[in-house]
Formats: sequence, C-alpha cells, structure tokens
Amino acid sequence: QVQLQESGPVLVRPSETLPLTCTVSGYSISSGYFWGWIRQPPGKGLEWIGSISERGSTSYNSSLKSRVAISRDTSRNQFSLKLNSVTATDTAFYYCARGGAAFDFWGHGTMVTVSS
Amino acid sequence: EIVLWQSPGTLSLSPGERATLSCRASQSISSKYLAWHQQKPGQAPRLLIYGASTRATGIPDRFSGSGSGTDFTLTISRLEPEDFAVYYCQQYVTSPPTWTFGQGTKVEIK
Repeated sequence: QVQLQESGPVLVRPSETLPLTCTVSGYSISSGYFWGWIRQPPGKGLEWIGSISERGSTSYNSSLKSRVAISRDTSRNQFSLKLNSVTATDTAFYYCARGGAAFDFWGHGTMVTVSS
Repeated sequence: EIVLWQSPGTLSLSPGERATLSCRASQSISSKYLAWHQQKPGQAPRLLIYGASTRATGIPDRFSGSGSGTDFTLTISRLEPEDFAVYYCQQYVTSPPTWTFGQGTKVEIK
C-alpha cells in the first residue's frame, strides 16, 4: 500500500521559507508517476502547487512559480517543497500526493501557519 | 490555463436522495484526465472517480461519473450518511504537466 507522510514546521515567519518533506513508503518515487504538493487554506478549496516526475523534472503552478522549488532525495524516497517569501496568505494545510492523471494517494496533510 | 467551475456551490439533500454534481471546464478536456475527489472535515481528499467514469478502488457503486468535452457529472444514486462531504473535480494537462481543481461542491444534510 502506498503511503505518504508530510513533515515540517507548523509555524513559519513572514518573508521566510516554508520547507516541507514528503516521505513515501510502498512505492519508489523514481519508478513512476508524478509526486505533487497541494495546499488548502482553512475553509477553502484545493490548489495544486507543483509536482516532480519520476525522472526529476518539475512543473509548477504559474501563480506560485517564482517562489516554489520542488526537489527529491531518491535514496530516502522523499520529495520536498520550498516556498519562499511567505506571507499570511500561505497559511494552509499542505498535502503531498501521488499523481498521474489523478492524485490517487494522499498524505494526511500538515497545517502550516505563517505568523510572526 | 483551463478553469473548472463546479455547481452548485452547496447541495442540501436528505439521506436516500440522489445527488447530481456538475463540473464544467473552460475548454474541452480529455475524459481520460478528469477526476473527482471527496473530502470530509479534517481529512485529506480521497480519489473517487478517474477517467471521468472509472471508480477508484473500494468506491461503492452508488458513485458514478459521466461526461465529455467540457461538461462532467458526478452522481450519487442514494445518499448515505457518510457521503455528506465536499466534492472536487480535478483535471490534468499533459504538456506541460499541470493539475487544476474546481472550487468544490458541498453536499450537506437537509
């Protein structure tokens, strides 16, 4: 069974970088699929942030592209998100998920608050 | 960039009733790349339907998806208490790889 687990800080200061890591078990991230980050501000809808492919190529939401970087560590079967220059509007639940045409396996999500 | 609009925003129904949720795309998309997710309070989304009409593993057959082009529908034939949740449609574009979600439809108990 494929499982994903997000980890990272629960609080980030404005203007700093939000770092999150997703640890995958049950499937090698270099074997196939895309591996993505999706966020959800409290009480709002889902927003795709970006994804990394099994070969390491990345794609990003155009609205966040200037501030986002996704990378991977295949030896640990992890992929990571860095979101720069955060503001209060980046406060959200952050999910990692496995994607092809559809996101079929999701992590439980982690709530990140941007506040001083 | 393809935009997905879902309607209605909220659907108030009773258990046992039929729910019909709509997802409309700003331009024609391949049915292969249209999915539906269910999200309950405090939980991560769960994949219900992919390829517009194929149920994901373990999804009951009261859930069905249909549609093509720009208009897609998720139907819940008889609402069970556990079906009251928010539903999102999601589409995928291959080149460059991008994913988009609709704004969601909340199915609430009447």
